[in-house]
Amino acid sequence: DQQVKQNSPSLSVQEGRISILNCDYTNSMFDYFLWYKKYPAEGPTFLISISSIKDKNEDGRFTVFLNKSAKHLSLHIVPSQPGDSAVYFCAATDEKLTFGTGTRLTIIP
Amino acid sequence: DTAVSQTPKYLVTQMGNDKSIKCEQNLGHDTMYWYKQDSKKFLKIMFSYNNKELIINETVPNRFSPKSPDKAHLNLHINSLELGDSAVYFCASSPTDRGWTGELFFGEGSRLTVL
Repeated sequence: DQQVKQNSPSLSVQEGRISILNCDYTNSMFDYFLWYKKYPAEGPTFLISISSIKDKNEDGRFTVFLNKSAKHLSLHIVPSQPGDSAVYFCAATDEKLTFGTGTRLTIIP
Repeated sequence: DTAVSQTPKYLVTQMGNDKSIKCEQNLGHDTMYWYKQDSKKFLKIMFSYNNKELIINETVPNRFSPKSPDKAHLNLHINSLELGDSAVYFCASSPTDRGWTGELFFGEGSRLTVL
């Protein structure tokens, strides 16, 4: 039973354009939603989070949007840069952190 | 100075062997975790320890035994290794406060290959 889903395994975006990564969840009891970034041969690193009582959180080039009625969140990266190429994991907390399966983002120079 | 460090980074072994992976964090966190990333890249929690006490055990076979000698260390011992144990194992830590927002600090991972 996968409570956090990322339906796009990969995404390619031109440098300078907007990258939009999507995530769906099923558990309405999740408190916080997070995005993690992972480079090859490294552990995931925290990128940005949002509380379940908010609908938007912005940090520099990164913005996370939460639509609770649709049980959907998205990560917007603008402008996209080559260093953003990585695997992005969506995650959500109740008593523990549950991860989605990841989306590989490739930024094309 | 690495915040969460795991050893070894790579481990290749035969079926039936016993192996251990060590993890140490110098962040002063109270809670440590083991996650498994399988061949489908799915990151799944295995165990969580808070101040040396087990608080999460996610239906992991009892061939896997975590041990926390102190709150800065969480080791993973695996008995009678099977082919399906091949994966990348990530150690992580977090502060334990009310209002924890889900941020974990991960190690670099330990890739286990069982032949």
